[in-house]
Amino acid sequence: SQQGEEDPQALSIQEGENATMNCSYKTSINNLQWYRQNSGRGLVHLILIRSNEREKHSGRLRVTLDTSKKSSSLLITASRAADTASYFCATWTGTASKLTFGTGTRLQVTL
Amino acid sequence: DGGITQSPKYLFRKEGQNVTLSCEQNLNHDAMYWYRQDPGQGLRLIYYSQIVNDFQKGDIAEGYSVSREKKESFPLTVTSAQKNPTAFYLCASSIAPRGAGELFFGEGSRLTVL
Repeated sequence: SQQGEEDPQALSIQEGENATMNCSYKTSINNLQWYRQNSGRGLVHLILIRSNEREKHSGRLRVTLDTSKKSSSLLITASRAADTASYFCATWTGTASKLTFGTGTRLQVTL
Repeated sequence: DGGITQSPKYLFRKEGQNVTLSCEQNLNHDAMYWYRQDPGQGLRLIYYSQIVNDFQKGDIAEGYSVSREKKESFPLTVTSAQKNPTAFYLCASSIAPRGAGELFFGEGSRLTVL
């Protein structure tokens, strides 16, 4: 079952613009993680935010978490063509021994 | 360099054949996972293992089998019982138990049934 659902499914922006992706989930979580996947490659971990945290930064990435709305957002500032990839959120509930991934947002950054 | 190695990268199978996908890690992680990814979709968990000689079914284990005889290795066999095996398979590992922390992924194996 898919715990997380990303929105939008696809996003196209120009280099230098900011990109915002959203993730909604259904049940209470212990942490939420964001991953990046280049076409045909494995996933790379970007950032982890715990349920008691509201915001986290890593370089050009900013993640927020609103547990009352069961949602998270990933902001990529000053995007570059190299940011073109699919981005997935994944949730860990603590009761299940696994991460559950969403369906992903495909980001296209054009020059 | 530490990491996860999956092989082969591409695999073609005739209907009715079993195939085994290899996953090796040198990160000294206890937990290992197999995920399946279909086009335009998220990842679905097939099997996971928290420790050597132990593994658990994930959400879509039917038609698949695994073994965990060594800490470094977690091979996945796609059996003839899997009705729609064409997909991209991803192996991952984590240092934290039960998926609580970051997953490290291999580069994937793409299986096509002819």
